[in-house]
Amino acid sequence: SQTIHQWPATLVQPVGSPLSLECTVEGTSNPNLYWYRQAAGRGLQLLFYSVGIGQISSEVPQNLSASRPQDRQFILSSKKLLLSDSGFYLCAWRDDRGYEQYFGPGTRLTVT
Amino acid sequence: GIQVEQSPPDLILQEGANSTLRCNFSDSVNNLQWFHQNPWGQLINLFYIPSGTKQNGRLSATTVATERYSLLYISSSQTTDSGVYFCALYAGNNRKLIWGLGTSLGVNP
Repeated sequence: SQTIHQWPATLVQPVGSPLSLECTVEGTSNPNLYWYRQAAGRGLQLLFYSVGIGQISSEVPQNLSASRPQDRQFILSSKKLLLSDSGFYLCAWRDDRGYEQYFGPGTRLTVT
Repeated sequence: GIQVEQSPPDLILQEGANSTLRCNFSDSVNNLQWFHQNPWGQLINLFYIPSGTKQNGRLSATTVATERYSLLYISSSQTTDSGVYFCALYAGNNRKLIWGLGTSLGVNP
C-alpha cells in the first residue's frame, strides 16, 4: 500500500531564515505530487505541483520554491522566510492514472 | 475559471443528528472529491464521486453533474465527525484541484 510522509510535523523559524520541508511517497511510482498551504481559516492554496522528476509547475509567485530530485521526493524551500509564510503545509500525491489525491500529515510552520 | 461553493459555511449538531452538506460548481464537473479534515489537520478522502451515489457507513454522497451540485449526507452524527468538509474538483487539464472553502462541522455530545 501507498504511504506519504512529511517532516517535520511542526517548525518555528525566525524571519529571514531558510526553509526546507520534505515529502516522500512509498509504494507507487511516477506519482503526481503537490504542495498546498492552508493559512488561518480554511482555504487550501495550491503552491506547486509536479508530474515528474525535475518538472515543477508554480501556481503562486512568492517566496517559495519546490524541487523534485527523485521520483517520490518533493521538497519545498525558501531562502529567506517571511512572516506571511506561516501556515499549515500539506503534501499530496496522486496516481498518474487516477484522480484521487492523498495527503500527508502536514507541517505547521510558524515564522517569528 | 471553475468556481466551487460550499454551504453552509458552519454547522453545529447534537450527536445523533443528520446533516446535508452541499457543493455547487460553476462548470461541468470533473472528478469531484469530498474530503474531511479532522481537528488535527489530517485530510482524509471520503468519496471520489464524479456522478451518481456512493455510501460508506454513515456517510453517503450524491453528485448530479447535469445540475452542477454534489451533496454529502452524514447520518447519526458522532463527535468524531467534527472538522471541516471540503469538496474539490479538477480544472480542465485534470492536473489541479479547485477547492471549496469548506463546511466547518461541530458535533456536540
